[in-house]
Amino acid sequence: DTEVTQTPKHLVMGMTNKKSLKCEQHMGHRAMYWYKQKAKKPPELMFVYSYEKLSINESVPSRFSPECPNSSLLNLHLHALQPEDSALYLCASSQRTLGNEKLFFGSGTQLSVL
Amino acid sequence: DQQVKQNSPSLSVQEGRISILNCDYTNSMFDYFLWYKKYPAEGPTFLISISSIKDKNEDGRFTVFLNKSAKHLSLHIVPSQPGDSAVYFCAAIRPTGKLIFGQGTTLQVKP
Repeated sequence: DTEVTQTPKHLVMGMTNKKSLKCEQHMGHRAMYWYKQKAKKPPELMFVYSYEKLSINESVPSRFSPECPNSSLLNLHLHALQPEDSALYLCASSQRTLGNEKLFFGSGTQLSVL
Repeated sequence: DQQVKQNSPSLSVQEGRISILNCDYTNSMFDYFLWYKKYPAEGPTFLISISSIKDKNEDGRFTVFLNKSAKHLSLHIVPSQPGDSAVYFCAAIRPTGKLIFGQGTTLQVKP
C-alpha cells in the first residue's frame, strides 16, 4: 500500500466556518507534511511532523492548525479563513525526514473559501 | 529566493522523440533530488530521484542526470508518449526534510 488518502476531495467553506482536512497513510511512515498549492504555482510547504511532533512550521497563520493524533493520521484544522486561502491542500508522507527520502503525496483537498 | 529553478515554463515535443526537462539549483546543501509529475487538481506523483553521489539514474523511459559542479539536473524521457503530458516539478530536499519545488514545466507530447 503506497497510498496517502486525503478527505474530503473538495471543500467549500465560509469565512466564519470551522472545518478539518484529514490525511491517512498506512505505509509506516514517520514523517508527514502539509503543502499548499495555488494554481500555476509549485506546492509550498506549510508544516512537517516527525514522529508525531511538529518539527517545521513555515510561518503559517494561526487560522491553520495542524494535528498529528498518531503516526498514521494528520489533520489540518481550519478556522476563520480568508478567500485568498483557497487552494489545493496536499498531504504527504515519507519514511523519515532525512535528506534522502522521497515524499508520497495524496490527491489533495481543493478548498474554496467564500 | 528561489533555490530550485525551472526556467522553461513549457515544452512541446512530438510523440516518440526525446523530452528534456531542465532544473538548476543554488543551494549546495541539497543532496537529494526528485522529479514529480502532476496533473491538475491531483497530488504530485513521484517519478525518479537521484542522490548527489551519483551523476545518473535510470528507470525505464526516464533518466535523470546530475551535474553537481554546474548545480544542474535534467530529466530525459525517451520515447515520449502523449500520456506523459503533464506538469513536471523538479524538487530538492534539505537534511531537515524540507522539500523545495521548482516552478514546474508543462510538457505537451503531440501525437
